[in-house]
Amino acid sequence: LAKTTQPISMDSYEGQEVNITCSHNNIATNDYITWYQQFPSQGPRFIIQGYKTKVTNEVASLFIPADRKSSTLSLPRVSLSDTAVYYCLVGDFGIIFGKGTRLHILP
Amino acid sequence: EAQVTQNPRYLITVTGKKLTVTCSQNMNHEYMSWYRQDPGLGLRQIYYSMNVEVTDKGDVPEGYKVSRKEKRNFPLILESPSPNQTSLYFCASSLSGTVDSYEQYFGPGTRLTVT
Repeated sequence: LAKTTQPISMDSYEGQEVNITCSHNNIATNDYITWYQQFPSQGPRFIIQGYKTKVTNEVASLFIPADRKSSTLSLPRVSLSDTAVYYCLVGDFGIIFGKGTRLHILP
Repeated sequence: EAQVTQNPRYLITVTGKKLTVTCSQNMNHEYMSWYRQDPGLGLRQIYYSMNVEVTDKGDVPEGYKVSRKEKRNFPLILESPSPNQTSLYFCASSLSGTVDSYEQYFGPGTRLTVT
């Protein structure tokens, strides 16, 4: 299973765009990249999934370069309620969550 | 409403007293799994199940058992709980465990304390 590396924490301000980058140098051909959001004492919530290039939904965008060794989750115009831990996952079976990125949005 | 339910939500028990945490989903999902979450360690997978009667170990299976006799239920069994199993436990399910179906739905969590 590919190991992922992401920043431990990030701070940003309301209204700004936030980009969280995840490194996954050993990603396999079959692996998809998935991002989850987790609030304190709640289960993680699926945000977005992609395989290559760019994926966009109503919540976020996911950018994946051609070599797929990294990916960037982009959150447009964040608000205080986006303060959470964000997990990047890569794999095909036995999904592994790392420690995630603790995003803190400031007013 | 599509959901994953866990019971109990909170449990305080003593070392060695067998317990079961139930997990049920109403989405006809094939894939189910259990995680534990501890401060500073993130989410770690305990066991997962690709379908009925098919289970496999995750990262931290020691001290736990699971069974998958029905598609909707995936109970987590602690035969002889110990204090190091004090944790927040999450059950999750997804349509399948295949590469294009990783949207997992998580339950509300069970906070277990073993004294």
